[in-house]
Amino acid sequence: NAGVTQTPKFQVLKTGQSMTLQCAQDMNHEYMSWYRQDPGMGLRLIHYSVGAGITDQGEVPNGYNVSRSTTEDFPLRLLSAAPSQTSVYFCASSPIQGGGFGPQPQHFGDGTRLSIL
Amino acid sequence: AQTVTQSQPEMSVQEAETVTLSCTYDTSESDYYLFWYKQPPSRQMILVIRQEAYKQQNATENRFSVNFQKAAKSFSLKISDSQLGDAAMYFCAYRSAAGTASKLTFGTGTRLQVTL
Repeated sequence: NAGVTQTPKFQVLKTGQSMTLQCAQDMNHEYMSWYRQDPGMGLRLIHYSVGAGITDQGEVPNGYNVSRSTTEDFPLRLLSAAPSQTSVYFCASSPIQGGGFGPQPQHFGDGTRLSIL
Repeated sequence: AQTVTQSQPEMSVQEAETVTLSCTYDTSESDYYLFWYKQPPSRQMILVIRQEAYKQQNATENRFSVNFQKAAKSFSLKISDSQLGDAAMYFCAYRSAAGTASKLTFGTGTRLQVTL
């Protein structure tokens, strides 16, 4: 059981380049999300999805696009990279909230370290 | 919007001793969940413990326990018999029980050092 898989693990981009960070999960989780982690700021939610075809913005969505065509995949796109987007990016998934099963924990990928020059 | 505050950027504890990490949060909701995550140097995010707000009993997981004070909006983590492997960043996180989205709001983290 692979859990949540993020690729690549490291990437260096030049300002203005575009890139897609990949995230895949094999647990049939409805909920998927992207966070960025910056020093001294914890993890902040970028975008999230509660199922295929449904996405919504989190706390820091500017400069990022997402789509959810399948349950398994939730790619994050940087259309025109900026140095302010240098960060570590985490993808996470969990079962949908509710259903009487209590707080199902989120499963995190191992992160992608992205540097933009 | 909810906020989570971890006021201790760094803490240090001797091996086998006990340490408590602080977390406070601000919310107008009555039903929510609270979590502590551990992030070792490997960068993985590992769930340590979780608490449901409507449960008065404090959660425990082996050497890890919480002191949940709902009225004070406080959720501290106690690590007993500290081990070298406990050295990591620890994040407190809040999640509303409303709706279907499992969105987490994180604190800024506490770096825990464990010394011999």
